[in-house]
Amino acid sequence: RKEVEQDPGPFNVPEGATVAFNCTYSNSASQSFFWYRQDCRKEPKLLMSVYSSGNEDGRFTAQLNRASQYISLLIRDSKLSDSATYLCVVAYTGRRALTFGSGTRLQVQP
Amino acid sequence: SAVISQKPSRDICQRGTSLTIQCQVDSQVTMMFWYRQQPGQSLTLIATANQGSEATYESGFVIDKFPISRPNLTFSTLTVSNMSPEDSSIYLCSVEDQTSGGAFSSYNEQFFGPGTRLTVL
Repeated sequence: RKEVEQDPGPFNVPEGATVAFNCTYSNSASQSFFWYRQDCRKEPKLLMSVYSSGNEDGRFTAQLNRASQYISLLIRDSKLSDSATYLCVVAYTGRRALTFGSGTRLQVQP
Repeated sequence: SAVISQKPSRDICQRGTSLTIQCQVDSQVTMMFWYRQQPGQSLTLIATANQGSEATYESGFVIDKFPISRPNLTFSTLTVSNMSPEDSSIYLCSVEDQTSGGAFSSYNEQFFGPGTRLTVL
């Protein structure tokens, strides 16, 4: 079983749609959680951290459920520029390196 | 934010040869990380490199195959030795931002280099 699991997609949605991605992690020693975005042939870049209380950044909302070991990302009012692969990322206690999910590909269509 | 450059950006190599990838950061950082991203896959950590000590390798990766140098706080190299077609991948270095940090997270943002795209024939 992978440590961080995501639905690979692709999610094909029209502009303006709301889309949600889910992610599960298997290691209960997980301490910090992030969503990274990776454009085609580019390096990953931090989209947002995920806090236990849930957090919002503009059109993006992240949620964490530690009991279920589940993380989500909600994108509202999708833009063409949101088309990318979204990586669910976990940091474990005592370890500075990150563990990446396989990513969920989003394609926003006009 | 840290700015990271990698050389070469891409290379095509013959089986059995070795390639050294350079990673340069515009600021001093304690830890540097080397990841591999195989076609259509996510990132897999190869090793963590601290200045002044030997790199720490993840399961499945060994020093003889992926020797790493970390001569100072702004530079590291990863060598892919005795290459085979299975080593064809994108290799990325990353650093943890020493200055930022969320109020609720003890982990800082990690920045990635643009990657080195390696093809082994």
